[in-house]
Amino acid sequence: GAGVSQSPSNKVTEKGKDVELRCDPISGHTALYWYRQSLGQGLEFLIYFQGNSAPDKSGLPSDRFSAERTGGSVSTLTIQRTQQEDSAVYLCASSPQGGPGITDTQYFGPGTRLTVL
Amino acid sequence: GNSVTQMEGPVTLSEEAFLTINCTYTATGYPSLFWYVQYPGEGLQLLLKATKADDKGSNKGFEATYRKETTSFHLEKGSVQVSDSAVYFCAQGAQKLVFGQGTRLTINP
Repeated sequence: GAGVSQSPSNKVTEKGKDVELRCDPISGHTALYWYRQSLGQGLEFLIYFQGNSAPDKSGLPSDRFSAERTGGSVSTLTIQRTQQEDSAVYLCASSPQGGPGITDTQYFGPGTRLTVL
Repeated sequence: GNSVTQMEGPVTLSEEAFLTINCTYTATGYPSLFWYVQYPGEGLQLLLKATKADDKGSNKGFEATYRKETTSFHLEKGSVQVSDSAVYFCAQGAQKLVFGQGTRLTINP
Protein backbone atom coordinates (compact mmCIF):
# COMPACT_ATOMS: atom_id res chain seq x y z
CA GLY A 1 0.00 0.00 0.00
CA ALA A 2 0.93 3.64 -0.17
CA GLY A 3 3.40 4.98 2.34
CA VAL A 4 3.51 8.32 4.08
CA SER A 5 3.54 11.16 1.58
CA GLN A 6 4.61 14.75 2.09
CA SER A 7 4.28 17.86 0.01
CA PRO A 8 5.94 19.85 -1.27
CA SER A 9 9.21 17.94 -1.55
CA ASN A 10 11.12 21.21 -1.65
CA LYS A 11 10.16 24.68 -0.51
CA VAL A 12 12.19 27.85 -0.83
CA THR A 13 10.86 30.90 0.94
CA GLU A 14 11.98 34.31 2.03
CA LYS A 15 12.63 35.20 5.62
CA GLY A 16 9.46 36.45 7.30
CA LYS A 17 7.03 34.54 5.10
CA ASP A 18 4.68 31.82 6.38
CA VAL A 19 4.87 28.25 5.04
CA GLU A 20 2.62 25.22 5.23
CA LEU A 21 3.90 21.67 4.97
CA ARG A 22 1.52 18.77 4.35
CA CYS A 23 1.60 15.16 5.48
CA ASP A 24 -0.63 12.31 4.35
CA PRO A 25 -0.19 9.37 6.72
CA ILE A 26 -0.66 5.72 5.91
CA SER A 27 -4.37 4.96 5.75
CA GLY A 28 -5.70 3.66 9.04
CA HIS A 29 -2.76 4.86 11.15
CA THR A 30 -4.03 6.70 14.20
CA ALA A 31 -0.75 8.28 15.30
CA LEU A 32 1.14 10.97 13.39
CA TYR A 33 4.47 12.61 14.20
CA TRP A 34 6.52 15.53 12.95
CA TYR A 35 10.31 15.66 13.21
CA ARG A 36 12.94 18.05 11.94
CA GLN A 37 16.32 17.05 10.53
CA SER A 38 18.93 19.78 10.40
CA LEU A 39 22.71 19.82 10.14
CA GLY A 40 23.24 21.47 13.48
CA GLN A 41 20.62 19.71 15.59
CA GLY A 42 20.22 16.29 13.98
CA LEU A 43 16.78 14.68 14.14
CA GLU A 44 14.41 16.35 16.61
CA PHE A 45 10.86 15.52 17.63
CA LEU A 46 8.40 18.36 17.09
CA ILE A 47 4.80 17.24 17.71
CA TYR A 48 2.71 14.08 18.02
CA PHE A 49 -0.98 13.38 17.38
CA GLN A 50 -2.70 10.26 18.63
CA GLY A 51 -6.34 9.65 17.78
CA ASN A 52 -8.61 12.30 19.26
CA SER A 53 -6.28 13.17 22.12
CA ALA A 54 -4.75 16.60 22.51
CA PRO A 55 -1.46 16.71 20.60
CA ASP A 56 1.87 16.56 22.39
CA LYS A 57 3.50 19.82 21.34
CA SER A 58 6.49 19.57 23.65
CA GLY A 59 9.06 19.58 20.84
CA LEU A 60 7.91 22.70 19.01
CA PRO A 61 10.83 25.16 19.15
CA SER A 62 8.78 28.36 19.30
CA ASP A 63 5.23 29.69 19.06
CA ARG A 64 5.84 30.36 15.37
CA PHE A 65 5.36 26.64 14.83
CA SER A 66 1.94 25.01 14.89
CA ALA A 67 0.33 21.90 13.49
CA GLU A 68 -3.12 20.52 13.04
CA ARG A 69 -4.55 17.23 11.97
CA THR A 70 -7.92 17.28 10.27
CA GLY A 71 -10.32 14.37 10.48
CA GLY A 72 -7.69 12.17 12.07
CA SER A 73 -5.80 11.94 8.80
CA VAL A 74 -3.95 14.70 6.93
CA SER A 75 -1.72 16.99 8.95
CA THR A 76 -0.36 20.45 8.21
CA LEU A 77 2.71 21.94 9.89
CA THR A 78 2.71 25.73 9.72
CA ILE A 79 5.72 27.93 10.34
CA GLN A 80 4.95 31.63 10.66
CA ARG A 81 7.45 34.42 10.02
CA THR A 82 10.13 31.97 8.91
CA GLN A 83 13.73 32.49 9.99
CA GLN A 84 16.91 31.20 8.41
CA GLU A 85 17.41 28.78 11.30
CA ASP A 86 14.14 27.09 10.30
CA SER A 87 15.91 25.68 7.22
CA ALA A 88 15.82 21.92 7.58
CA VAL A 89 14.17 18.77 6.31
CA TYR A 90 10.79 18.30 7.96
CA LEU A 91 9.83 14.65 8.33
CA CYS A 92 6.41 13.23 8.99
CA ALA A 93 5.80 9.72 10.32
CA SER A 94 2.74 7.66 11.16
CA SER A 95 2.15 4.53 13.19
CA PRO A 96 -0.79 2.18 13.58
CA GLN A 97 -1.71 2.90 17.19
CA GLY A 98 0.53 5.15 19.22
CA GLY A 99 -0.65 5.72 22.77
CA PRO A 100 0.89 5.21 26.21
CA GLY A 101 2.68 1.94 26.69
CA ILE A 102 2.56 1.08 22.99
CA THR A 103 5.73 0.96 20.93
CA ASP A 104 4.68 1.10 17.30
CA THR A 105 6.97 1.18 14.33
CA GLN A 106 6.96 4.70 12.95
CA TYR A 107 6.89 4.87 9.14
CA PHE A 108 8.54 7.98 7.75
CA GLY A 109 7.74 10.03 4.70
CA PRO A 110 10.39 11.37 2.30
CA GLY A 111 10.41 14.78 3.94
CA THR A 112 10.05 18.39 2.85
CA ARG A 113 13.28 20.30 2.42
CA LEU A 114 12.68 23.88 3.56
CA THR A 115 15.15 26.60 2.66
CA VAL A 116 14.66 30.06 4.12
CA LEU A 117 16.61 32.74 2.29
CA GLY B 1 16.83 14.36 29.74
CA ASN B 2 16.85 11.32 27.52
CA SER B 3 19.64 11.15 24.98
CA VAL B 4 21.37 8.87 22.49
CA THR B 5 25.06 8.90 21.68
CA GLN B 6 26.32 6.99 18.71
CA MET B 7 29.66 6.39 17.12
CA GLU B 8 30.73 9.32 15.04
CA GLY B 9 31.38 8.77 11.40
CA PRO B 10 32.02 8.60 8.69
CA VAL B 11 32.90 4.92 8.70
CA THR B 12 34.47 3.37 5.62
CA LEU B 13 34.90 -0.38 5.26
CA SER B 14 35.66 -2.89 2.55
CA GLU B 15 33.05 -5.35 1.39
CA GLU B 16 32.74 -8.44 3.63
CA ALA B 17 34.24 -6.63 6.63
CA PHE B 18 32.71 -6.86 10.10
CA LEU B 19 30.71 -3.84 11.18
CA THR B 20 30.05 -2.40 14.61
CA ILE B 21 28.37 0.95 15.19
CA ASN B 22 28.23 1.81 18.87
CA CYS B 23 25.17 3.32 20.49
CA THR B 24 24.56 4.20 24.14
CA TYR B 25 21.60 5.91 25.73
CA THR B 26 20.54 7.72 28.88
CA ALA B 27 16.94 7.44 29.96
CA THR B 28 14.63 7.19 32.92
CA GLY B 29 13.26 3.67 32.91
CA TYR B 30 13.69 1.23 30.07
CA PRO B 31 12.83 2.70 26.70
CA SER B 32 12.39 0.83 23.45
CA LEU B 33 15.48 1.02 21.24
CA PHE B 34 15.69 1.29 17.48
CA TRP B 35 18.07 1.43 14.57
CA TYR B 36 16.82 3.38 11.56
CA VAL B 37 18.59 3.56 8.20
CA GLN B 38 18.52 6.24 5.51
CA TYR B 39 19.72 5.02 2.12
CA PRO B 40 20.89 7.64 -0.41
CA GLY B 41 17.91 9.53 -1.78
CA GLU B 42 15.41 7.65 0.37
CA GLY B 43 13.49 8.27 3.58
CA LEU B 44 14.17 6.91 7.04
CA GLN B 45 13.17 3.32 7.50
CA LEU B 46 13.22 1.04 10.51
CA LEU B 47 16.04 -1.50 10.43
CA LEU B 48 15.43 -3.27 13.72
CA LYS B 49 14.13 -2.72 17.23
CA ALA B 50 14.13 -4.16 20.75
CA THR B 51 11.56 -3.35 23.38
CA LYS B 52 13.03 -4.84 26.56
CA ALA B 53 16.32 -5.78 28.15
CA ASP B 54 18.22 -8.69 26.54
CA ASP B 55 16.00 -8.61 23.45
CA LYS B 56 17.88 -8.98 20.18
CA GLY B 57 16.60 -7.20 17.11
CA SER B 58 17.68 -8.50 13.72
CA ASN B 59 17.04 -7.74 10.06
CA LYS B 60 18.97 -8.02 6.77
CA GLY B 61 21.92 -9.60 8.57
CA PHE B 62 22.15 -6.77 11.11
CA GLU B 63 21.75 -7.43 14.83
CA ALA B 64 21.62 -5.38 18.01
CA THR B 65 21.07 -6.51 21.59
CA TYR B 66 19.43 -4.35 24.27
CA ARG B 67 21.99 -4.25 27.11
CA LYS B 68 20.47 -2.71 30.22
CA GLU B 69 23.64 -3.00 32.31
CA THR B 70 25.73 -1.01 29.84
CA THR B 71 22.80 1.08 28.45
CA SER B 72 23.88 0.11 24.96
CA PHE B 73 22.38 -1.07 21.68
CA HIS B 74 25.35 -1.59 19.36
CA LEU B 75 24.64 -2.46 15.72
CA GLU B 76 26.61 -5.33 14.17
CA LYS B 77 26.83 -7.14 10.88
CA GLY B 78 29.21 -9.94 10.11
CA SER B 79 29.83 -9.23 6.43
CA VAL B 80 28.84 -5.89 4.93
CA GLN B 81 27.91 -5.27 1.32
CA VAL B 82 28.18 -2.21 -0.89
CA SER B 83 24.39 -1.92 -0.70
CA ASP B 84 24.67 -1.32 3.07
CA SER B 85 26.13 2.13 2.40
CA ALA B 86 23.77 4.53 4.17
CA VAL B 87 23.34 6.69 7.25
CA TYR B 88 22.39 4.77 10.38
CA PHE B 89 20.52 6.31 13.31
CA CYS B 90 20.13 4.86 16.78
CA ALA B 91 16.99 5.99 18.62
CA GLN B 92 15.09 5.47 21.84
CA GLY B 93 11.58 6.11 23.02
CA ALA B 94 8.03 5.14 22.30
CA GLN B 95 6.09 7.96 20.70
CA LYS B 96 8.65 10.75 20.91
CA LEU B 97 11.76 9.22 19.45
CA VAL B 98 15.13 10.62 20.50
CA PHE B 99 17.75 10.07 17.82
CA GLY B 100 21.51 9.92 17.81
CA GLN B 101 23.45 12.11 15.40
CA GLY B 102 23.72 9.43 12.73
CA THR B 103 26.68 7.49 11.37
CA ARG B 104 27.46 7.58 7.67
CA LEU B 105 28.68 4.20 6.47
CA THR B 106 30.43 3.69 3.13
CA ILE B 107 31.29 0.21 1.89
CA ASN B 108 33.87 -0.05 -0.86
CA PRO B 109 33.94 -3.02 -3.26
